[in-house]
Amino acid sequence: KAGVTQTPRYLIKTRGQQVTLSCSPISGHRSVSWYQQTPGQGLQFLFEYFSETQRNKGNFPGRFSGRQFSNSRSEMNVSTLELGDSALYLCASSPDTASRELFFGSGTQLSVL
Amino acid sequence: DQQVKQNSPSLSVQEGRISILNCDYTNSMFDYFLWYKKYPAEGPTFLISISSIKDKNEDGRFTVFLNKSAKHLSLHIVPSQPGDSAVYFCAASDSGNTPLVFGKGTRLSVIA
Repeated sequence: KAGVTQTPRYLIKTRGQQVTLSCSPISGHRSVSWYQQTPGQGLQFLFEYFSETQRNKGNFPGRFSGRQFSNSRSEMNVSTLELGDSALYLCASSPDTASRELFFGSGTQLSVL
Repeated sequence: DQQVKQNSPSLSVQEGRISILNCDYTNSMFDYFLWYKKYPAEGPTFLISISSIKDKNEDGRFTVFLNKSAKHLSLHIVPSQPGDSAVYFCAASDSGNTPLVFGKGTRLSVIA
């Protein structure tokens, strides 16, 4: 079974631009979560989607948004990029919202210059 | 307010010895705890978990201990191997379908 796939792996943008990251969950998994990892800050929760609905949202500004499609694939968007948005963005999937264990993709490394 | 704390950013252990990684939490509603391992340029992978109804869970070289009264858990790796060198994240959840909360991680270096 293929794992969680995130594209692209690496991205370089400049301040003020916007970016869209993509995530394909494990086949059959319907819940998708996004986390931001920065050095020294661990994994900070961004949002969680299930059946195309956002179930939870972390403490991030409105510039961060996401969505989930009917095939469970998910995208997250960051508008008006700031230098502090440079981070590894991780997508994780699970079969449903009751599952406690998340399966992570390799992440998208975003660098904002 | 950080609900899951890993107070040691790094740890060095000799190959063959025991590695002990610690994690503290503040939210008494947490009832399920997980450890993830992360290599550079890869996503975290699940290692081992424990429910609050237990105080110990063992899987091969890895054992997790939970002390609910102290709100403390630890991961023991015995014997440590060079391939165990990675960043280890502690995570916790409650039964309310809320997101996993992660600590900041501990970088383990196993020296041959």
